[in-house]
This record gives sequence, C-alpha cells and structure tokens, in this order.
Amino acid sequence: DAGITQSPRHKVTETGTPVTLRCHQTENHRYMYWYRQDPGHGLRLIHYSYGVKDTDKGEVSDGYSVSRSKTEDFLLTLESATSSQTSVYFCAIRETSGGAREQFFGPGTRLTVL
Amino acid sequence: AQSVTQLGSHVSVSEGALVLLRCNYSSSVPPYLFWYVQYPNQGLQLLLKYTTGATLVKGINGFEAEFKKSETSFHLTKPSAHMSDAAEYFCAVSDRNNQGGKLIFGQGTELSVKP
Repeated sequence: DAGITQSPRHKVTETGTPVTLRCHQTENHRYMYWYRQDPGHGLRLIHYSYGVKDTDKGEVSDGYSVSRSKTEDFLLTLESATSSQTSVYFCAIRETSGGAREQFFGPGTRLTVL
Repeated sequence: AQSVTQLGSHVSVSEGALVLLRCNYSSSVPPYLFWYVQYPNQGLQLLLKYTTGATLVKGINGFEAEFKKSETSFHLTKPSAHMSDAAEYFCAVSDRNNQGGKLIFGQGTELSVKP
C-alpha cells in the first residue's frame, strides 16, 4: 500500500459547476501526478508537481488547474466542468527525480458530469 | 513525440495457456519501460520495469518481459494463465532525459481467462 488516498471516490456533478479532487499521500514523496483514464486512451497526464508550489502541465491540461500548498496534498480543480471531463481520475506519486523510478497510484475518483 | 502501442485491446486465453501481451514504443533512444496491471475498480499496480542491464525482467505473479531494442518492443508474457490474471494491462514508458518522470501509457489490453 503506497499510502495514497483520493477523495471523493465518486462524484456526480452538473455541467458548469466547479469540482475539486484531492490526492493525499503519507509517503512524503516529492513528485505527484494527476492522470485521467478513458477507454481506448489508457492514462493521460493532466498536470504534475515536483514540489510545493511547483507544478507543470501534462498533455491534456486544458480545463484543469492544480495546486500544491503542502507536500502531502495535490488538488485538481475543474473550474467549470464539462461532459468531456467525465472520466476516472488517478493520482500517482514518485519519490525521486529521473524516470527510472516507478509511480505508485491511488485508487481513483470516478467523476460523472451531466 | 514518444508513443506506446499495445497490439490488441482484448486478449482471451484459456487457463493454463501462455499469455502474450504486446507493447512497442516509438523513440530511437530506449526509454524506461513499465508494465502495470489494473484490477476492476482499482488503481494501477506495477508488475515489472526495465531500466538498464539484463533485458529479461521478472516481475510479480509469474510475469516477465523482454526488452528488445532492435524491435523497440517490451512484450509481457506468463507461461501459464490463471483465472486471477484477468485484468487490464498497461505498458508505459518514461524518457531517460525527462527529470519529471512523466509516463506515457499505451491504450491498455484487457486480458480475459477462460476456464
């Protein structure tokens, strides 16, 4: 168990409403990531963080923002949810820099935008 | 840009049969290579990874994968399938020069095991 929790685990919301997903880790790892999983696309990176207040965009960042005010929490915000953002969202953590280290994944948040 | 291709979105095998899940990457410089497994309604779990050294990598649950530079491949195998192997499998790569360690995933292959 990599010590990652995500909340909420399930959420149904309406188009145009703001939504915030939370990822919490107990490992004190430097790197944190947000992915979305859609059928036929595998997982795609939305944003990632390499330290407190240090974030960068991934390949599908439009419509999403993130914040990391402390090491253990990484928040993903949909400012105005759209139906295309219906997906399963996964948070991941990694200890060190460089690509050789694997990422550990949380249990996911299933988001439905009506 | 780096890409990962998994041949076959669905693979079905009989219990006890060989499992072969295919993965090819696109970069000319070999990346770090990973296989993850996802059971229903769960997150991803690392099966194995290749970073350097021996090209045949052994992972958990009897799985192994072989890195073949000439074929830009990293196929996943298991000699004898078990019912509990039914899951979705993802191949992923990370560029060696990418300090952010971002993963690029394949589309996934759903493995079903028939009794």
